[in-house]
Amino acid sequence: SQQGEEDPQALSIQEGENATMNCSYKTSINNLQWYRQNSGRGLVHLILIRSNEREKHSGRLRVTLDTSKKSSSLLITASRAADTASYFCATDIGFQKLVFGTGTRLLVSP
Amino acid sequence: GAGVSQSPSNKVTEKGKDVELRCDPISGHTALYWYRQSLGQGLEFLIYFQGNSAPDKSGLPSDRFSAERTGGSVSTLTIQRTQQEDSAVYLCASSSAGETQYFGPGTRLLVL
Repeated sequence: SQQGEEDPQALSIQEGENATMNCSYKTSINNLQWYRQNSGRGLVHLILIRSNEREKHSGRLRVTLDTSKKSSSLLITASRAADTASYFCATDIGFQKLVFGTGTRLLVSP
Repeated sequence: GAGVSQSPSNKVTEKGKDVELRCDPISGHTALYWYRQSLGQGLEFLIYFQGNSAPDKSGLPSDRFSAERTGGSVSTLTIQRTQQEDSAVYLCASSSAGETQYFGPGTRLLVL
């Protein structure tokens, strides 16, 4: 079964608004990563947060990690139409194996 | 530099036929992964190669699936006697000693 579950499954917002996606997982992790996928093809790595970190920023992206709740959130600020994509969290459970969640489909309308 | 490449981009085959999917990882990356993504779903881990170590095959769904990595570089995923449920996008990724995996564009397989 999937390690990660993203919430919501789909999100529709207007340009300029913020988008928040959540990820919950089941087992202990080394790190948690967020990826973006356009049009059902290859994934692009966005950000990695280690198990001993609580928050990380990269440009318009902000990721938080709460290991006590086994959850993470991805915040995209000032969204753009080009941010439209599917977003996946992936947990590193060791041995360099990533376990992906089910994804959130984000639609940003102009 | 060049990223991960996969071929073919799309493959349509008939049920019962064998297919081979190819992945060229980023040069110098020691780790190579195969994933499968069914329509609207997340990624399902299939197999992982790391250097000269024995591959982690724990994700292969059946013995119809196999993969090789020759010379520590190019990898081929083979599906024998394809079934309709094998239809999916097959994604390859590679990484160096770090954690970030770099993905190829995928091969979209359709079994009729």
